Amino acid sequence: EDQVTQSPEALRLQEGESSSLNCSYTVSGLRGLFWYRQDPGKGPEFLFTLYSAGEEKEKERLKATLTKKESFLHITAPKPEDSATYLCAASLPSNTGKLIFGQGTTLQVKP
Amino acid sequence: ETGVTQSPTHLIKTRGQQVTLRCSSQSGHNTVSWYQQALGQGPQFIFQYYREEENGRGNFPPRFSGLQFPNYSSELNVNALELDDSALYLCASSASGGSTDTQYFGPGTRLTVL
Repeated sequence: EDQVTQSPEALRLQEGESSSLNCSYTVSGLRGLFWYRQDPGKGPEFLFTLYSAGEEKEKERLKATLTKKESFLHITAPKPEDSATYLCAASLPSNTGKLIFGQGTTLQVKP
Repeated sequence: ETGVTQSPTHLIKTRGQQVTLRCSSQSGHNTVSWYQQALGQGPQFIFQYYREEENGRGNFPPRFSGLQFPNYSSELNVNALELDDSALYLCASSASGGSTDTQYFGPGTRLTVL
């Protein structure tokens, strides 16, 4: 069964304390791995798409990487405004548009 | 460029009623996907519409139905509401129905079923 699992469920960091969020997937023929940020009560905001193992993308304090089994979202020197829930999602070979989401990691950055 | 918009923002219904949620896609996009997000969970795929046709469907019963209009806006209809239908309903648009296309989400509609 196609599945996406994120860990940890929750993460508390001090401002400036770097860390990584994990997204493990079991998807046959992954077409793309997407990262989103979601603030409470709002829709997910797109961050990155990764298409093949070894690919890396960066944006400000965030860097996403992809292997054949998992993806990491590295957060370098986080600030309180980085506090949010981070979601990863996998797209399947079938062109149905279906994204399979993990349950998310809720990040809290304290000043 | 206008992003994805959804209406209404919040909605309260009672069990057994019917509801219609609306979504306007981002400019230049012809594909709309709908997701249900329960509290504390990741979004679950309901279905996708590409050029006015249903392109794919998740594990949701037939009482969840949809439409896409010639301007690529979309509606999600839910009949015979159940308490478990209470959730944030998200609409996402993309440039085409391809599985590698990025989906851009709207702000969501919070549905509460009493």
